[in-house]
Amino acid sequence: EDKVVQSPLSLVVHEGDTVTLNCSYEVTNFRSLLWYKQEKKAPTFLFMLTSSGIEKKSGRLSSILDKKELFSILNITATQTGDSAVYLCAVLSGSARQLTFGSGTQLTVLP
Amino acid sequence: NAGVMQNPRHLVRRRGQEARLRCSPMKGHSHVYWYRQLPEEGLKFMVYLQKENIIDESGMPKERFSAEFPKEGPSILRIQQVVRGDSAAYFCASSPTVAEAFFGQGTRLTVV
Repeated sequence: EDKVVQSPLSLVVHEGDTVTLNCSYEVTNFRSLLWYKQEKKAPTFLFMLTSSGIEKKSGRLSSILDKKELFSILNITATQTGDSAVYLCAVLSGSARQLTFGSGTQLTVLP
Repeated sequence: NAGVMQNPRHLVRRRGQEARLRCSPMKGHSHVYWYRQLPEEGLKFMVYLQKENIIDESGMPKERFSAEFPKEGPSILRIQQVVRGDSAAYFCASSPTVAEAFFGQGTRLTVV
């Protein structure tokens, strides 16, 4: 059974801090890994990673994948209160057309 | 393009009643996915549908749950004889490819 584990489960920081969120996976026939941000609404797509070692960046957010060690990290620099959310990692594997999600990291950024 | 539309946003049902959740995919998307999110848990895949076909229902409970995506109209997730454990947020996503799944706002089902 495909498995996606995120850590930490929750994180509280102050504005301006840098955070690193972790996602490890055990899946059959890995295809891609995706990061989503979920506030009190629908998950919104952040990144899709397919190849190892290639960093994806969007503003203060960046992410990278290590297919050898089977993990990905999501970095957020100069955090803002608006970054407070649950960050979900999901893996697409095999021929399945479904995503397997981790349980998420609850990030709280204090002013 | 209005995005993925789910309704109702909130649904309260008594134990034993039926719940119907609707999802209209984004224009041009023929792939629909339903996910369930229980409190304090991540999203769990339930079913993947294309127009008039169920492609993968491996995440769907065998009893009381069914899904359809007719040729015309929204996709429907139907839960018969609801129980308290069915209380959750149900998200629908649509995509041209699963890697770009766009999620709806979700339906929060509360069974009392």
